[in-house]
Amino acid sequence: AQKITQTQPGMFVQEKEAVTLDCTYDTSDQSYGLFWYKQPSSGEMIFLIYQGSYDEQNATEGRYSLNFQKARKSANLVISASQLGDSAMYFCAMREGRAGGTSYGKLTFGQGTILTVHP
Amino acid sequence: NAGVTQTPKFQVLKTGQSMTLQCAQDMNHEYMSWYRQDPGMGLRLIHYSVGAGITDQGEVPNGYNVSRSTTEDFPLRLLSAAPSQTSVYFCASSLRGNTAEAFFGQGTRLTVV
Repeated sequence: AQKITQTQPGMFVQEKEAVTLDCTYDTSDQSYGLFWYKQPSSGEMIFLIYQGSYDEQNATEGRYSLNFQKARKSANLVISASQLGDSAMYFCAMREGRAGGTSYGKLTFGQGTILTVHP
Repeated sequence: NAGVTQTPKFQVLKTGQSMTLQCAQDMNHEYMSWYRQDPGMGLRLIHYSVGAGITDQGEVPNGYNVSRSTTEDFPLRLLSAAPSQTSVYFCASSLRGNTAEAFFGQGTRLTVV
């Protein structure tokens, strides 16, 4: 079973509008971390935002926020006031594993969503 | 601070050739890993290491070897390159733990002909 699922292969948004990129995850661990990365056309991986499984508040970083719904196992990325420079591939990822185990902290990625921002 | 340095950035190999992708980090991170990125597949874990002398297989380890003799370096060896190994390879490092952000190298675009 897929541990991280991003169901939107591509998304389009008008400049200055908000957009939500979906991410659902599957884990039986109580402690885990959820991450979003941006990959522009130049290819580098840029960390955007992190949410811990025990965090009660949704994470925010500037124009990025993470809509964390633990019961639904979803961790959607919300980008407010989209800019042309937001056009990129976006990956959702999860770290899980029991503390002390050799797989502790392994990072699993979703398939990614290509976001295109139109002027 | 250099972060994670990967070399080379581009490489073309002939089928059957071997090569080593280099990865070095200067952040004293315990955890290092190699991913390959293929269209529509996201990033898939090849091998990872939780510290010097300790490595383990990820999701797609076949055809690749790793070793971790120092905290800083984590080379990936292709033993006998195959066209199926044409991909973009990323090295990443982080502190160990579920809250740790991964830092990525710039990637290596490998083509096997």
